[in-house]
Amino acid sequence: NAGVMQNPRHLVRRRGQEARLRCSPMKGHSHVYWYRQLPEEGLKFMVYLQKENIIDESGMPKERFSAEFPKEGPSILRIQQVVRGDSAAYFCASSSNTRLTNEQFFGPGTRLTVL
Amino acid sequence: AQSVSQHNHHVILSEAASLELGCNYSYGGTVNLFWYVQYPGQHLQLLLKYFSGDPLVKGIKGFEAEFIKSKFSFNLRKPSVQWSDTAEYFCAVNSGGGADGLTFGKGTHLIIQP
Repeated sequence: NAGVMQNPRHLVRRRGQEARLRCSPMKGHSHVYWYRQLPEEGLKFMVYLQKENIIDESGMPKERFSAEFPKEGPSILRIQQVVRGDSAAYFCASSSNTRLTNEQFFGPGTRLTVL
Repeated sequence: AQSVSQHNHHVILSEAASLELGCNYSYGGTVNLFWYVQYPGQHLQLLLKYFSGDPLVKGIKGFEAEFIKSKFSFNLRKPSVQWSDTAEYFCAVNSGGGADGLTFGKGTHLIIQP
């Protein structure tokens, strides 16, 4: 059973470009979470999605950032017009639809560098 | 809002020493508590979790943690560490519903010297 997959693992963008980060959850998981880790910081929650729905986006910046989890295909975190401050590691996690023993399984992360 | 505080950012121990990493959280309601580990070059892995029941939780690789509700604490312990325990350790919490995003501490970088 493959784990959470993220691609690309490393992404370099110039200021003003768009960054698209992909996350394929574990098989059978319908919940996806995105987190951002800045240098010397812990992971910060950004957004929580279920298939085709955003459940909680309280941690996501209001501008330039968006996320989706379509019925088919991976979840996408999209950052428009990137700035240097967006440089970070972005982690995706997935969990099954079980509220009682919710455990989030993490992917390897995408390291975004903005030049 | 929830917050998590990890007291030690860097810890250096010798092999066979005992380990205790502090974690305190701030939240007024029912919480679920987690410890994750990130070995060098690898992704986060769950060490152990607490949802309810026995406040002393045993996890993988000989780790355990104790939930003390009155102290809002969930400290991680291991009686005898090994060189392979060198890693970054993160304490995390979410609300009692269980499906919410996690609030993480800043992490503790543990180095075990042979």
